Amino acid sequence: DTEVTQTPKHLVMGMTNKKSLKCEQHMGHRAMYWYKQKAKKPPELMFVYSYEKLSINESVPSRFSPECPNSSLLNLHLHALQPEDSALYLCASSQETGLYGTQYFGPGTRLLVL
Amino acid sequence: AQTVTQSQPEMSVQEAETVTLSCTYDTSESNYYLFWYKQPPSRQMILVIRQEAYKQQNATENRFSVNFQKAAKSFSLKISDSQLGDTAMYFCAFETGNQFYFGTGTSLTVIP
Repeated sequence: DTEVTQTPKHLVMGMTNKKSLKCEQHMGHRAMYWYKQKAKKPPELMFVYSYEKLSINESVPSRFSPECPNSSLLNLHLHALQPEDSALYLCASSQETGLYGTQYFGPGTRLLVL
Repeated sequence: AQTVTQSQPEMSVQEAETVTLSCTYDTSESNYYLFWYKQPPSRQMILVIRQEAYKQQNATENRFSVNFQKAAKSFSLKISDSQLGDTAMYFCAFETGNQFYFGTGTSLTVIP
């Protein structure tokens, strides 16, 4: 089973709201990722978790706060977002970070910030 | 610094024909992985094919094959017998160490 699930599929929020995106995988992968993707652009890496510890933060604004409660779950907490944060947010997982190859992507959460 | 270049922003192909998408990359690493991912409109990004740099043999997956030229740092994707379901954005990607780099993508349209 190579499935990564994400909820919700769509999210509309105001700039003062607080919301969370959720990602789950049951492949036993130890690395999980958050990406932001604008239309017709490649995904941009935001965060990498390896063995439930944050290993990479690509200078993402603090209004995005990741959390990895356990090896199967990854959350992205959102607060005081801006309209330019509207995008598709993708979660991915891989067996390990480094040269252990394939990332498997979830379907994404399409976020609209009003 | 690692870079991945896809020089064809958009391509089209007739159904049942063959099309080749190009990708070049730049790295000083000797060990790395290369990938082609497919992202259909409003649908999930899925892995099409993967190539380990230490393997000389080109990877194939059914109608999809790659032409991996390590010295030239080139990694093209050939889609044979194109089908309407192949219409998608195709991203070339490169992995080394802790970093994963995507190209800018090629939007492929299969014409009936």
